[in-house]
Amino acid sequence: ETVMTQSPATLSVSPGERATLSCRASQSVSRHLAWYQQKPGQAPRLLIYEASTRATGIPARFSGSGSGTEFTLTISSLQSEDFAVYFCQQYNSWPQFGQGTKVEIK
Amino acid sequence: EVQLVESGGGLVQPGGSLRLSCAASGFTVNSNYMSWVRQAPGKGLEWVSIIYSDGSTYYADSVKGRLTISRDNSKNTVYLQMNSLRAEDTAVYHCGKTPHGSGNYFDSWGQGTLVTVSS
Repeated sequence: ETVMTQSPATLSVSPGERATLSCRASQSVSRHLAWYQQKPGQAPRLLIYEASTRATGIPARFSGSGSGTEFTLTISSLQSEDFAVYFCQQYNSWPQFGQGTKVEIK
Repeated sequence: EVQLVESGGGLVQPGGSLRLSCAASGFTVNSNYMSWVRQAPGKGLEWVSIIYSDGSTYYADSVKGRLTISRDNSKNTVYLQMNSLRAEDTAVYHCGKTPHGSGNYFDSWGQGTLVTVSS
């Protein structure tokens, strides 16, 4: 089983600032890594797949990078609607999710 | 427009059974990979099961032998039959669609249905 570890658990950021979220896999997942955004009471929303490809309709301020075991989601300039929980998920083997990073208003 | 709507959740006693449904629109379930993913209260996401377009099915170890995924092509609906339920199965259950020809990530999700296992 590939364990996915996200850090930090909580990230406090001011609107307009840059947010950098990390996701580490316990073994290589190549580039088979997706990122999701989830707001309270809502379904997760796909942001990024294949480590760096934005899903349809996702704004350019969201970007993903990394390969192997280390991945990053960057939100270049946080908007009010971006405050949410973010999950990474590997799909190199059976899907495994990280525990999430909550991005909150500073 | 792709839409997934889950139903069938509720309160059930330990050892009991429940059947969840995921009604799809905007695409055909038998041409795609469909999964169930659950989220325990205040916790992260856990993949539970998948049914491939060829009908083959796979499960997480934590549910193997107790949960069964299936689909009805005529109703364009995916099901999750849940037997021998335990307290640790308490969660919101989402169905998710994998893009055709892609790896097992999920480009569409339903809002979920809550299953509570308690006496």
